[in-house]
Amino acid sequence: QVHLVESGGGVVQPGGSLRLSCVTSRFTFTNYALHWVRLAPGKGLEWVAAISYDGSQINYAGSMRGRFTISRDNSKNTLYLQMNSLTAEDTAVYYCARDFSMNGYSGYDYFDYWGQGTLVTVSS
Amino acid sequence: QSVLTQPPSVSGAPGQRVTISCTGSNSNIGAGYDVHWYQHLPGTAPKLLIYGNTYRPSGVPDRFSGSKSGTSASLAITGLQTDDEADYYCQSYDSSLSGYVFGTGTKVTVL
Repeated sequence: QVHLVESGGGVVQPGGSLRLSCVTSRFTFTNYALHWVRLAPGKGLEWVAAISYDGSQINYAGSMRGRFTISRDNSKNTLYLQMNSLTAEDTAVYYCARDFSMNGYSGYDYFDYWGQGTLVTVSS
Repeated sequence: QSVLTQPPSVSGAPGQRVTISCTGSNSNIGAGYDVHWYQHLPGTAPKLLIYGNTYRPSGVPDRFSGSKSGTSASLAITGLQTDDEADYYCQSYDSSLSGYVFGTGTKVTVL
């Protein structure tokens, strides 16, 4: 069974930074694009960012562009999300999700496996 | 913020059929992009229920079915069971936003 485990969440002050990790196993990491998706309290799911199988294609949701950086280490089967200039609106559970395809940006992509999420709280 | 609109809640008795609508626009569903559906129990990993508008991943019961027409899509659950109590989200792609979008989410309650 495909396994994705997020970590790195916690409480951070407004303006601060945090780096999330997603360790994966039980599938060939280099064959799939990956995404970050978040769920804020009282709100719905929101797509954050996507990265292709080799890291050559990266895309962000508009509100995250310039503040968040998605990356992957194919030697460690691990996905990352570097988050800077955090605000209270970034408070959410952050999920990593596997794309069904390699590139992750065809417009027809969907997320076939998800992790259980890590909670990020931005508060003073 | 969501560009795909779903009813906040639907409910039904065990064994009944419920449907969840997902209404978009000509920059997402109406542009021909596929609609996918997820089931989410708070505190757990979201689960893919329907992909490519109508297809079920292996292991998903055939009580769940999806359809798409014009700028909208629907998820139907037949033979409603208590285990179906969860939040359900549609997902597609929006060309105006150049990104993936989710619906507002629907909470299903089994009476």
